Amino acid sequence: QKEVEQNSGPLSVPEGAIASLNCTYSDRVSQSFFWYRQYSGKSPELIMSIYSNGDKEDGRFTAQLNKASQYVSLLIRDSQPSDSATYLCAGGGGSGTASKLTFGTGTRLQVTL
Amino acid sequence: GAVVSQHPSRVICKSGTSVKIECRSLDFQATTMFWYRQFPKQSLMLMATSNEGSKATYEQGVEKDKFLINHASLTLSTLTVTSAHPEDSSFYICSATSGEKLFFGSGTQLSVL
Repeated sequence: QKEVEQNSGPLSVPEGAIASLNCTYSDRVSQSFFWYRQYSGKSPELIMSIYSNGDKEDGRFTAQLNKASQYVSLLIRDSQPSDSATYLCAGGGGSGTASKLTFGTGTRLQVTL
Repeated sequence: GAVVSQHPSRVICKSGTSVKIECRSLDFQATTMFWYRQFPKQSLMLMATSNEGSKATYEQGVEKDKFLINHASLTLSTLTVTSAHPEDSSFYICSATSGEKLFFGSGTQLSVL
């Protein structure tokens, strides 16, 4: 089974700062990657998907993928207290395939006032 | 994004009873749905892949006779936890693919006394 690794945190950043969340994966077969946000007691919510090397921006979020280094990250600009949650990185096989994702353990982000 | 509805959101039952959880895709047809389980402070673990009109595919270590999955239509999959025990207490989440993305239901917190 593919392996996705994340630092569990917590990662603490002040309000307005950039939060950088990192994820590494061990299986080169993984082609598609997803970032989910999960609030305590709630189900995950899709934030970003990325399939190609490079950066992908959506509002305050930027996903970065480096397949050679097997590394995917999520940057959150102008962090807000409402961004405080656990962020799950997930990898799937096949470009654009969302089925049978393998999830990391998640990184807990705390945005402080 | 696509909407996946899951019911009930919370259930408390006695040991030995069975519990049924429903997962519906509200605005799209889902030939494949996925069932995950999440223990506190742990990542999502895929339990099984539910295929419309055919038997579910279970992940290694998941008892198919204990976790019965039925995917009778393109919009409904059910998970029945049979003869539930306290160790089955967990957060159960269903998901479905719409296009190339995976969307989650709101989850069911199961507590077995």
